[in-house]
Amino acid sequence: KQEVTQIPAALSVPEGENLVLNCSFTDSAIYNLQWFRQDPGKGLTSLLLIQSSQREQTSGRLNASLDKSSGRSTLYIAASQPGDSATYLCAVGNQAGTALIFGKGTTLSVSS
Amino acid sequence: GAVVSQHPSRVICKSGTSVKIECRSLDFQATTMFWYRQFPKKSLMLMATSNEGSKATYEQGVEKDKFLINHASLTLSTLTVTSAHPEDSSFYICSASLPGGRNEQFFGPGTRLTVL
Repeated sequence: KQEVTQIPAALSVPEGENLVLNCSFTDSAIYNLQWFRQDPGKGLTSLLLIQSSQREQTSGRLNASLDKSSGRSTLYIAASQPGDSATYLCAVGNQAGTALIFGKGTTLSVSS
Repeated sequence: GAVVSQHPSRVICKSGTSVKIECRSLDFQATTMFWYRQFPKKSLMLMATSNEGSKATYEQGVEKDKFLINHASLTLSTLTVTSAHPEDSSFYICSASLPGGRNEQFFGPGTRLTVL
């Protein structure tokens, strides 16, 4: 059974720092991996999607990497801003058309 | 593009009543939608997979007679919480996949249900 783990559970950084959020999964036979952002009381905003054949994806200040063989993904946020404060969720899709399996998230707080 | 809406965003009801939550894909057709439940400071837990034109597939431990799912069209799935109890209070979120095989999922804004 696929399990997704995210560390750390919470992270506080000053504005301007570069940071890395970690995600690991137990079964490396994934179809894809998706990173989301969730603000308190809100739904999920898709940040980046990495297919199993890809190594990384970039969008603006965000870069997500995928190492399937080791069951790991990282989300790199450059030059963090207070507006980046949110919970970041990593989710794995085992097959096309199936639901995602989520980690518990990393709650990020960026202070000005 | 790829917008998913949910209605209502917030609902308060009395114990024993039923509540219907709608999930719509606004700019694409979704043969499959998913319903999740999120407890405070917990991750999203899949409740069921909603398939257009057929019965939903429920996860283990989810009562299908309590959480009725209907996927009557390619853009609408509904979740009805029947005979609601305070322990059903939670944040319910739906998602839909874009067609084409990427399995990229887009989520609705969620519905906060409070049962008194």
